[in-house]
Amino acid sequence: ETGVTQSPTHLIKTRGQQVTLRCSSQSGHNTVSWYQQALGQGPQFIFQYYREEENGRGNFPPRFSGLQFPNYSSELNVNALELDDSALYLCASSPGTGGETQYFGPGTRLLVL
Amino acid sequence: DQQVKQNSPSLSVQEGRISILNCDYTNSMFDYFLWYKKYPAEGPTFLISISSIKDKNEDGRFTVFLNKSAKHLSLHIVPSQPGDSAVYFCAASKGPNTGTASKLTFGTGTRLQVTL
Repeated sequence: ETGVTQSPTHLIKTRGQQVTLRCSSQSGHNTVSWYQQALGQGPQFIFQYYREEENGRGNFPPRFSGLQFPNYSSELNVNALELDDSALYLCASSPGTGGETQYFGPGTRLLVL
Repeated sequence: DQQVKQNSPSLSVQEGRISILNCDYTNSMFDYFLWYKKYPAEGPTFLISISSIKDKNEDGRFTVFLNKSAKHLSLHIVPSQPGDSAVYFCAASKGPNTGTASKLTFGTGTRLQVTL
């Protein structure tokens, strides 16, 4: 059974650029959630996708957007990057909505200069 | 507003002894709680969870206790091993069938060091 994978592992961008991060969910999981973890903090919920529809959003601006594909893989897009967007971006998958355990990928570390 | 709090940023325990990690929450709507372990350069790894209908859940060396009236949970690791050295995150969610996304709300983590 393949776990959650994310790409790329590291990324450096400059302020104002756009970035796309990718996630493949664990086999059999139809729900993907994205989290941002700043240094010294716990992960913060960005949004969740269930069967290709956004199913809840945290306190992040619209320049954070996402997609989920029919195979349940997902993308996180961030436009107009700001310095504060520098963080570890984590993707987590779960069997369905509603409080089940979420399984995390290794994350993508984004540095915005 | 920090709804999930881990007030101890670090903890050092001797190998073989018990490690106790604590977590407090303020939102009474939370009814599902999880502990994750995180090594540097890796994503969080699920350890153990507990539903609010229980007050204890055990899995091998790991036990989670939930005190709903105090809005407090703790993770006990017995016996502690050097490989347990990591950052431990407490997380909470509003459980199944609430009609909302099951987002996890995390604490800020406790760094556990198990010494020889």
